[in-house]
Amino acid sequence: AQKITQTQPGMFVQEKEAVTLDCTYDTSDQSYGLFWYKQPSSGEMIFLIYQGSYDEQNATEGRYSLNFQKARKSANLVISASQLGDSAMYFCAMREESNAGKSTFGDGTTLTVKP
Amino acid sequence: DAGVIQSPRHEVTEMGQEVTLRCKPISGHNSLFWYRQTMMRGLELLIYFNNNVPIDDSGMPEDRFSAKMPNASFSTLKIQPSEPRDSAVYFCASSLLFRGLNTEAFFGQGTRLTVV
Repeated sequence: AQKITQTQPGMFVQEKEAVTLDCTYDTSDQSYGLFWYKQPSSGEMIFLIYQGSYDEQNATEGRYSLNFQKARKSANLVISASQLGDSAMYFCAMREESNAGKSTFGDGTTLTVKP
Repeated sequence: DAGVIQSPRHEVTEMGQEVTLRCKPISGHNSLFWYRQTMMRGLELLIYFNNNVPIDDSGMPEDRFSAKMPNASFSTLKIQPSEPRDSAVYFCASSLLFRGLNTEAFFGQGTRLTVV
């Protein structure tokens, strides 16, 4: 079974609108971390936001927020006020304590922001 | 901090040749990861070091691939002999292992390898 599932291969959003990128995960660990990365067309991987499994509040970083629903095992990324520069591939990743702390990445979602 | 530094940025080599990719992690980080990214297979974890010791190399595709981390500030990924199907972008990333979990990983710019 896939550890990280990103069901949306591609998404479109109008500039200045909000968009939610889905991520569900599978783990039996109590202690784990969830991450989102952005990969623009230039190829680099940019860390965006982190949520720990014990964090009670949803993580936020500027225009990025993570909608963490532990019981549903989902960690959706919300980008508010989309900008043209947000067009990129977005990856959800998880690190599990039982897996020696190493990370597992989803297949990614390509986001295109329309002017 | 300069971030994770990888070299070379681009490498074109002929099939059968040895290829060595280099990585300098962020100072103070104790975990290092090598990833491979292709259109077909996405982002794959090849090997993971913690405190310079290989923890998991189950993602290394074949014996042609080997990785070393002789000290905390340097790692290499070697492919010998290289094959056209090894063409990919290879990323190195580093992070801090704290209480059994890694903090966010910081990625290098990647090495785009083309084997002809």
